[in-house]
Amino acid sequence: NAGVTQTPKFRVLKTGQSMTLLCAQDMNHEYMYWYRQDPGMGLRLIHYSVGEGTTAKGEVPDGYNVSRLKKQNFLLGLESAAPSQTSVYFCASSPLRGRYTEAFFGQGTRLTVV
Amino acid sequence: AQSVTQLDSHVSVSEGTPVLLRCNYSSSYSPSLFWYVQHPNKGLQLLLKYTSAATLVKGINGFEAEFKKSETSFHLTKPSAHMSDAAEYFCVVGNNAGNMLTFGGGTRLMVKP
Repeated sequence: NAGVTQTPKFRVLKTGQSMTLLCAQDMNHEYMYWYRQDPGMGLRLIHYSVGEGTTAKGEVPDGYNVSRLKKQNFLLGLESAAPSQTSVYFCASSPLRGRYTEAFFGQGTRLTVV
Repeated sequence: AQSVTQLDSHVSVSEGTPVLLRCNYSSSYSPSLFWYVQHPNKGLQLLLKYTSAATLVKGINGFEAEFKKSETSFHLTKPSAHMSDAAEYFCVVGNNAGNMLTFGGGTRLMVKP
């Protein structure tokens, strides 16, 4: 029962480098999300997807791109990393059941940009 | 649009004493509300959720929360803290479409022996 799996768990990037974070869920959920967590600010939504082939911007989308080519996977890309993108990134998924449905979270990816 | 404010960034209690973590929300419709817990270096786990069926909601590990519409609050309580409760707690409000969660800033709970 894997749930939501994120890879990698840790990464250090140099400013200007690119990388992709992978999120995989095995619960057949329709919705998937990428959040970033910064001290004192809770989690803020970067991008989300309501189904395969769809993506939408969240609260803090600048500097990130996403793709959902397969229902079970949601990729978050950083084209040119900046120190301001140092954060812990969480992926989540939820079924298409309405507004009382909770999200299920991965273990997080700690990214440091130097 | 919805928002949520957690009134305390840190709360410290002694083991065996009650826990109160405060949350106020703002929503233009009947809200969906959640409390999540995050233990150190872990993902987020759902503690409980409010779905309008009952104002007092019971969750896992002895936690409960009461929805008070007149006060726009959804405070989290536990009668007796345990060392294992030390973690960060997030109050969360969902949007009307059910596709977006808005998080509070979090409350770090410390439990002293």
